[in-house]
Amino acid sequence: KAGVTQTPRYLIKTRGQQVTLSCSPISGHRSVSWYQQTPGQGLQFLFEYFSETQRNKGNFPGRFSGRQFSNSRSEMNVSTLELGDSALYLCASRMNAAGVSYNEQFFGPGTRLTVL
Amino acid sequence: EDQVTQSPEALRLQEGESSSLNCSYTVSGLRGLFWYRQDPGKGPEFLFTLYSAGEEKEKERLKATLTKKESFLHITAPKPEDSATYLCAVQAGNYGQNFVFGPGTRLSVLP
Repeated sequence: KAGVTQTPRYLIKTRGQQVTLSCSPISGHRSVSWYQQTPGQGLQFLFEYFSETQRNKGNFPGRFSGRQFSNSRSEMNVSTLELGDSALYLCASRMNAAGVSYNEQFFGPGTRLTVL
Repeated sequence: EDQVTQSPEALRLQEGESSSLNCSYTVSGLRGLFWYRQDPGKGPEFLFTLYSAGEEKEKERLKATLTKKESFLHITAPKPEDSATYLCAVQAGNYGQNFVFGPGTRLSVLP
């Protein structure tokens, strides 16, 4: 079974630009979460999507947004990039069948974003 | 506010020297505690889930245990390939979707 995939793996942008990252979950997984990982702050939760709806959101500014498609694939967008947005962005998926929530999250390899 | 701390921040062991990593948590309504291993430049790799105090899980040289306020990851006779950052996370609260991660313990096993 293929794991979580993320594209692109590396990105270099300049301040003020916007960026879109993509995540394809494990087949059959309906929940997708996004995290930001930096050396200073560690892994921080951005948001979670399930059935194309944002179900939970972390403490990040509105410049960070996401969406999920009917095939469970998800995208994350960051507008008006700042230097502090440089980080490893991780996507994680978990199975979430009707009425049952499996809690184990499986992570993708991440997208390394550098903002110059 | 839900919080997770891990100690030590970094640990250097000789090959074969057993030790334990600690994860302490303060949460309202623990729904699960998770251990991950992360190699440099890669995403975290799932290791264990623990749901209730007293529960233990084992995998090769790793054993995870859970009490009401903390979890331990015991590493028995580690090998250099066990070198990685070990992350602890909790899922808590009424909604249960939010995962809070600890800062991690960076483990180095020297041959």
